[in-house]
Amino acid sequence: GAGVSQSPSNKVTEKGKDVELRCDPISGHTALYWYRQSLGQGLEFLIYFQGNSAPDKSGLPSDRFSAERTGGSVSTLTIQRTQQEDSAVYLCASSLDRDYEQYFGPGTRLTVT
Amino acid sequence: GDSVTQMEGPVTLSEEAFLTINCTYTATGYPSLFWYVQYPGEGLQLLLKATKADDKGSNKGFEATYRKETTSFHLEKGSVQVSDSAVYFCALYNTNAGKSTFGDGTTLTVKP
Repeated sequence: GAGVSQSPSNKVTEKGKDVELRCDPISGHTALYWYRQSLGQGLEFLIYFQGNSAPDKSGLPSDRFSAERTGGSVSTLTIQRTQQEDSAVYLCASSLDRDYEQYFGPGTRLTVT
Repeated sequence: GDSVTQMEGPVTLSEEAFLTINCTYTATGYPSLFWYVQYPGEGLQLLLKATKADDKGSNKGFEATYRKETTSFHLEKGSVQVSDSAVYFCALYNTNAGKSTFGDGTTLTVKP
């Protein structure tokens, strides 16, 4: 079956511009996660959605970052006024429920020039 | 908060060598533990998991045992292959917090 998909796969943007990254989770998965992977670093948790509950935004690094999940399915991560330090691979993952293993998408490589 | 500490890489081994990648954790409660693998040019995928103390996860010849007394989940394989070259991430899932914490990853290169 279809896995987690993300778009775009690569995004180059100028400093100060806004970007939107999209994640399509596996159908039926109620939990959705966003992570950031900087070069040579581990995964940094950003935000977590579970069903209709309020999202856990505790990992968002600043108020320039926001995310939403429409209809309990597709999610969009928005970064406003991008900075060079935002350059990283942004990974989305979904799972059947909060306690289950996570399935990762291929990521979006964001480069801020 | 929760944390995961992995053995620093990179690790370079010859084919058929024995592999150990150390992983220790700190967490409240009783987390589930995972190893994920990221092959070159691919996304992360689950390699194995263990959900309670003394459980052993295994897959593709890799094994890891959930050791509560030493808060460890070391990854082992008896005979590595070139195709095992990848980045390996240790992770925990804290049910109470509802979130995962990942280690920094260990890059393994296996030479023929």
